[in-house]
Amino acid sequence: DVKVTQSSRYLVKRTGEKVFLECVQDMDHENMFWYRQDPGLGLRLIYFSYDVKMKEKGDIPEGYSVSREKKERFSLILESASTNQTSMYLCASSFPTGAATNEKLFFGSGTQLSVL
Amino acid sequence: GENVEQHPSTLSVQEGDSAVIKCTYSDSASNYFPWYKQELGKRPQLIIDIRSNVGEKKDQRIAVTLNKTAKHFSLHITETQPEDSAVYFCAASLNDYKLSFGAGTTVTVRA
Repeated sequence: DVKVTQSSRYLVKRTGEKVFLECVQDMDHENMFWYRQDPGLGLRLIYFSYDVKMKEKGDIPEGYSVSREKKERFSLILESASTNQTSMYLCASSFPTGAATNEKLFFGSGTQLSVL
Repeated sequence: GENVEQHPSTLSVQEGDSAVIKCTYSDSASNYFPWYKQELGKRPQLIIDIRSNVGEKKDQRIAVTLNKTAKHFSLHITETQPEDSAVYFCAASLNDYKLSFGAGTTVTVRA
């Protein structure tokens, strides 16, 4: 069974702090994603990566960066946390496009980040 | 980019009744339409999906229909049960791995 693990379930940080959210998957998936989930806004894509050291901006990349040094690990970085980044952050992974399996996303349990 | 709108935002149904959620998409080239279910406190999970070369797909009590001309697709849940209570998200993508999600529908099944 696919496992996508996020390092923290709850996180409280102060404005201006640098924040690292870590995600690890154990199924050798090429694709990894970071979404944020806000009530009434659904899931919005922040960044994604289709290979090691590759990254592409999603729909709301401002204020975030990412790192993918190893295939199984995808990190989301908030360089200087702000209160409007308080949200639920969901990591996901999937098989590459064109594989026999579809683009099914496997999500982590999420990290609820509060920036005070 | 793709824009997906989802209605209604909340839906309350009597146990045993049917529930229907509708989504519209903006990019006529989109060709993959999944539905995810997120139970309270849990991660989203894929429940059913459909590709643009198919008009309808069914899996037990859930079905999805796609109208490419009108650019909308719908989720149908029949004989609803308490365990169907959850937030449901539709999504669309254009032949790649980047999904655009709707805002979600909170479904409550009343006993």
